[in-house]
Amino acid sequence: AQSVTQLDSHVSVSEGTPVLLRCNYSSSYSPSLFWYVQHPNKGLQLLLKYTSAATLVKGINGFEAEFKKSETSFHLTKPSAHMSDAAEYFCVASSLYNFNKFYFGSGTKLNVKP
Amino acid sequence: DAGVTQSPTHLIKTRGQHVTLRCSPISGHKSVSWYQQVLGQGPQFIFQYYEKEERGRGNFPDRFSARQFPNYSSELNVNALLLGDSALYLCASSLINRGRGDQPQHFGDGTRLSIL
Repeated sequence: AQSVTQLDSHVSVSEGTPVLLRCNYSSSYSPSLFWYVQHPNKGLQLLLKYTSAATLVKGINGFEAEFKKSETSFHLTKPSAHMSDAAEYFCVASSLYNFNKFYFGSGTKLNVKP
Repeated sequence: DAGVTQSPTHLIKTRGQHVTLRCSPISGHKSVSWYQQVLGQGPQFIFQYYEKEERGRGNFPDRFSARQFPNYSSELNVNALLLGDSALYLCASSLINRGRGDQPQHFGDGTRLSIL
C-alpha cells in the first residue's frame, strides 16, 4: 500500500525568500512521485515528476524537488518565492499497479507575504 | 492541443435531484479518473476508467456512478443529491504504462456543484 504525508498544512514565507514544502511517502517499492499546484477554483497543474531517472527533478516556475530514498522524502523547494506562487500544493504518489492510481497528500497552503 | 475539458463549469441543484457531469480527455488518453474535492480538502478518488472499463472505485456510495464512452470521454452521475455532495468535481486523464506508474494525470478545471 502507498501513502503520502505532507508535513505542513500551511506555510507562510515572504516574497523573495526560499520555499520548502515537505512530503514523505510510504511505499513497498520506489514509487513515481509528483507535485501539483492548485490555484483557487482551478484544477491541478503538474509542477514536476520523479520517475527514477534522476533524484533531483526540476519543474516549472523555478520549482525543484529531491527524491531521498533513505529518508522516504520528496520535498519541494524554490529559491525565491513570488507572490504568484501563493496556492495549494499537493504531493502525489502513483501506484505501479492498479492502473497508475494516484494517492494524494492532504495539501499544503502556501501564503506569500509582500 | 486541448487539455481536459469539463462541463458544465458550475451547477446548482436541490436535494434529491440527480446530476450528470461530463469530461473530455486529452486526445490519445484512454484513462479517465474522477475526484471529489470538498472545500478546504484534497481531492478524493471516486472512479477510474480505462479502455471503457471501471478499473478502480473509491469509498463513495452507490448513488455515484460513471461510464466511459468509445471516444474515451466520460460521465459522472450522482443520484439523490445530498447537501454534502457540494464540491468541486475534477476529471483527470492520462496515458497508462502498465507496470510503470510514471504517467502524470492531467486535470480539468472542474465542475463546481452546489446543492441547495
